This record gives sequence, C-alpha cells and structure tokens, in this order.
Amino acid sequence: AQRVTQPEKLLSVFKGAPVELKCNYSYSGSPELFWYVQYSRQRLQLLLRHISRESIKGFTADLNKGETSFHLKKPFAQEEDSAMYYCALSGGADAGGTSYGKLTFGQGTILTVHP
Amino acid sequence: EAGVTQFPSHSVIEKGQTVTLRCDPISGHDNLYWYRRVMGKEIKFLLHFVKESKQDESGMPNNRFLAERTGGTYSTLKVQPAELEDSGVYFCASSHPGGGWEKLFFGSGTQLSVL
Repeated sequence: AQRVTQPEKLLSVFKGAPVELKCNYSYSGSPELFWYVQYSRQRLQLLLRHISRESIKGFTADLNKGETSFHLKKPFAQEEDSAMYYCALSGGADAGGTSYGKLTFGQGTILTVHP
Repeated sequence: EAGVTQFPSHSVIEKGQTVTLRCDPISGHDNLYWYRRVMGKEIKFLLHFVKESKQDESGMPNNRFLAERTGGTYSTLKVQPAELEDSGVYFCASSHPGGGWEKLFFGSGTQLSVL
C-alpha cells in the first residue's frame, strides 16, 4: 500500500528564514512525487513535481529514494508563501499506466510566514 | 480558460437526506477525478472517469455514493442517504489526456455538512 506522511501539521517561520516542509512516502515501485499548494481562498494547485527538478517560487524538492523522502525547501521564506502544502504520490505507470491522476496525499502542512 | 467549476460551494443537509454535487471540468479534459477531505484527515481519492466511463472507483466509500458523467462532460456525485461521516470537502479535478504524468486542475470544492 502507498502512503504519504507529512509529520508537521503546522510550521511557523519568520520572513527571510529558511523553511523545510517534510514529506516521507512508502511505495514499492517508482513513484511520481508532487507538491500541491492551497493559498487562502484559492484552489489547490500544483507547485512542483520531482521529475521536472525545477524551482518554482523559490521552492525546490529533491527525491531521496534511500530515505523515501521528498522534502520541500526554500532558503528565504516570504509572507506570500503562507499556505497549506500537500505532498502527493502517484503510482503512475506502476498503477497500470491508466491513472496518473490518482494521487495519495499527505495530511498537509500549514505554513505561516510571519513578518 | 475557465477552470474547474463545482456547485454548490456549500451544502448543509440533515442525516438521511440526499445531496447531489456537480463538477464541470475544463473543456476538453477527458479525465475527471473526485476527491474528498474529511476533517482532520488527508485528501482521499474517490474515483476517476475517462470521458463517460468509470476508470477506477476503488475509493468510493460505499454504495450510498453514486457518481455519473453522462456524455463525458460534467459529473455529479450523489450521496443517498447522507450520514454524519460524509461531512467534508469534496474536490473535483480534471486533466488533459496524454502519455505520462497528469497535471490536475482542481475545483474550489464543495463543503458538505451533514447534521
């Protein structure tokens, strides 16, 4: 069974401080990992995916298969980063290749960046 | 481009009543997903349509839940009869078909409260 764990429900930092949102997963195959974000009064939206290895809004996330982790990091947090962040996993091709959008979500971390 | 639209945004009903949630995906998106977030828990997959066909309904809680997507356009999710534990936020998401991963576009969700 696949599982995503976000150990922190709440995370508070000050503006300009580094931030790391933790995500661990369990999956027997080769997963696709994502971070989704929901800003206040906005829809859930994709922030980044591990394969693209890109930086979005200053955030990066590296897939560590040895530690089965996909932590989200930003060196200097901004107030506009305050939001709910969800780590999610897709079995992708391992799930028969027909349901890439079938995601397993973590419980989410509420990030608050104080001025 | 119009986003994924969900109606109603909020619904308050009594236990035993029936409620129907509607989702209009982005035009041209063959994939449509329903997810649910029960308070305090993670967002969970309910089912997946490809056009009008149910591709995967493994996440549907029980037979009180019925999803349809007639004509492969909008989808409805009916709960009959509703129970207290059905309360939560129901999200719809759609994606464009293609090989490989899918970027999901989420609706704003329907907050369902069963009293």
